[in-house]
Amino acid sequence: AQSVTQLDSHVSVSEGTPVLLRCNYSSSYSPSLFWYVQHPNKGLQLLLKYTSAATLVKGINGFEAEFKKSETSFHLTKPSAHMSDAAEYFCVVSSGGGADGLTFGKGTHLIIQP
Amino acid sequence: KAGVTQTPRYLIKTRGQQVTLSCSPISGHRSVSWYQQTPGQGLQFLFEYFSETQRNKGNFPGRFSGRQFSNSRSEMNVSTLELGDSALYLCASSLGTGGSHPDTQYFGPGTRLTVL
Repeated sequence: AQSVTQLDSHVSVSEGTPVLLRCNYSSSYSPSLFWYVQHPNKGLQLLLKYTSAATLVKGINGFEAEFKKSETSFHLTKPSAHMSDAAEYFCVVSSGGGADGLTFGKGTHLIIQP
Repeated sequence: KAGVTQTPRYLIKTRGQQVTLSCSPISGHRSVSWYQQTPGQGLQFLFEYFSETQRNKGNFPGRFSGRQFSNSRSEMNVSTLELGDSALYLCASSLGTGGSHPDTQYFGPGTRLTVL
């Protein structure tokens, strides 16, 4: 069995300050982990993915995430927030195989204050 | 390369009706998956099709069905609509190779279904 917990349902930061979105996972296997972003009325866009290569993963738009097995965490960070980062972010864990192996977190709503 | 497209983008139906949603995957992708997204339940997996065959199925009633055509395009059908079926329906495509590492899912913009 696997699960994913996004520790914050809402995060608010000021433009130009760092962003931290927290994700903890549970998996019986060596997991693959993803972060997706969803802007209003849009589908999910892949930000980055971890598949047992380098533990620090760089994604699009300046985002990165670090896989920490000892802490079962995969937190998403960005050094400097931009207004266009305002969106819903989903952490996803997979045990492999097909789409039924994906487990989505509940999402974190990121608010950027001007 | 064009992304995943879904039609229509918005639908309004009444209870008891049926609805068909369409998804065109990224060229070369053979797997199409469907998800339901609601504020209360979040993202839930409906089913996955690969090479015209349903490969996996989530925990949804039989009113939800789908199919995939030889060109990998997929349709999803919901019969006897209920108010609770109001949701954003997302389609995702992937190469479908599976294995120990999951394929990356590429999502379409979704179809917003409202049931009155």
